[in-house]
Amino acid sequence: AQKITQTQPGMFVQEKEAVTLDCTYDTSDPSYGLFWYKQPSSGEMIFLIYQGSYDQQNATEGRYSLNFQKARKSANLVISASQLGDSAMYFCAMREGPTNSGYALNFGKGTSLLVTP
Amino acid sequence: DTGVSQDPRHKITKRGQNVTFRCDPISEHNRLYWYRQTLGQGPEFLTYFQNEAQLEKSRLLSDRFSAERPKGSFSTLEIQRTEQGDSAMYLCASSGLGSYGYTFGSGTRLTVV
Repeated sequence: AQKITQTQPGMFVQEKEAVTLDCTYDTSDPSYGLFWYKQPSSGEMIFLIYQGSYDQQNATEGRYSLNFQKARKSANLVISASQLGDSAMYFCAMREGPTNSGYALNFGKGTSLLVTP
Repeated sequence: DTGVSQDPRHKITKRGQNVTFRCDPISEHNRLYWYRQTLGQGPEFLTYFQNEAQLEKSRLLSDRFSAERPKGSFSTLEIQRTEQGDSAMYLCASSGLGSYGYTFGSGTRLTVV
């Protein structure tokens, strides 16, 4: 069964507007971490933001924020003030187990974001 | 430190040939991961090392695939008798103790013709 579900294969947003990319996850482990990565056409995976399962507040990193709704098992990425350079694939990922477990990340299938002028 | 390095960036090989990829993690990171990413999909976990020990292997890692990390520093991923289905991006990532982050390399794009 899919542990990470990203239901939006593609999204469009106009420059300077905000956009929300959806992610739901499935785990029975009380300790886990949620990640968002950006992958431009060049291929590298760029870390954007992290949310630990015990973190009380939603994570924010500059224009990126993570809308963490634990009961709904969702971890949506919000990008504010979109820029043309934000056009890329975005992946949601989860590490099950505590931080030092070393467990590998499980990734969703990704959402392709296109920012238009 | 320049991050995680992968070599080569691109590899084109004929079906049936063997290929080897290299990953140099961030020097202080003791954990190293290999992933495979096919077109339109998210990365899929292949295998994981802590220092030189290979602690976990995915069922995706068939017997044609082998990975090593002999001195707990760089790692190699070898694919024997390549098949067209092996065409993919192979990503390496590393992480360190006490850190939640995983740093990825730029990947090796393999094309089997």
